Amino acid sequence: GESVGLHLPTLSVQEGDNSIINCAYSNSASDYFIWYKQESGKGPQFIIDIRSNMDKRQGQRVTVLLNKTVKHLSLQIAATQPGDSAVYFCAENRAPNGQNFVFGPGTRLSVLP
Amino acid sequence: GAVVSQHPSRVICKSGTSVKIECRSLDFQATTMFWYRQFPKQSLMLMATSNEGSKATYEQGVEKDKFLINHASLTLSTLTVTSAHPEDSSFYICSARGDRGKDTQYFGPGTRLTVL
Repeated sequence: GESVGLHLPTLSVQEGDNSIINCAYSNSASDYFIWYKQESGKGPQFIIDIRSNMDKRQGQRVTVLLNKTVKHLSLQIAATQPGDSAVYFCAENRAPNGQNFVFGPGTRLSVLP
Repeated sequence: GAVVSQHPSRVICKSGTSVKIECRSLDFQATTMFWYRQFPKQSLMLMATSNEGSKATYEQGVEKDKFLINHASLTLSTLTVTSAHPEDSSFYICSARGDRGKDTQYFGPGTRLTVL
């Protein structure tokens, strides 16, 4: 697996606004994607997933959009709350048998009061 | 459902000692477990993949003799950091995949290792 050792980009939004977190993936053969939320000092928490045969999937207050043409994934959070403050990672499945996930560098979401 | 635990959550040890970290799937059988390492403000780096009853597959650059992985049962995998040194200090996270969805990995809470 690979990781990207970059400083985390930060997105700051006002409480109540919608948040959009973006992720570019590199492998056009990737067929499964997951968004994870990681709070400080904790392990990643599953938020929502999407397969490559879909371009949109909705959960509770969250929507994931997949654009395979430009290899782009986004996570939309509606009515962002203080509890949404965390680092968000996208992960792509690169192996045919679903063994190996590669994580993006992450985005830190800060919710302003 | 799909709960993964890790123990200990935090460990401090002296340089040269070995540390064992346990990863358990509490409410499902994990056919595959993964071990990740995460440095501050960085993403997760996969160290190894283990399937129950077989040897772990290590990622390039990860020393298998230093990071011993055992996946003896469908609910338990252990990572032993042998002869730990300060540069091994990191946040170690396991994840498990099993009968709760074909591809989804569920993560443990992580273990903070500090080597003095």
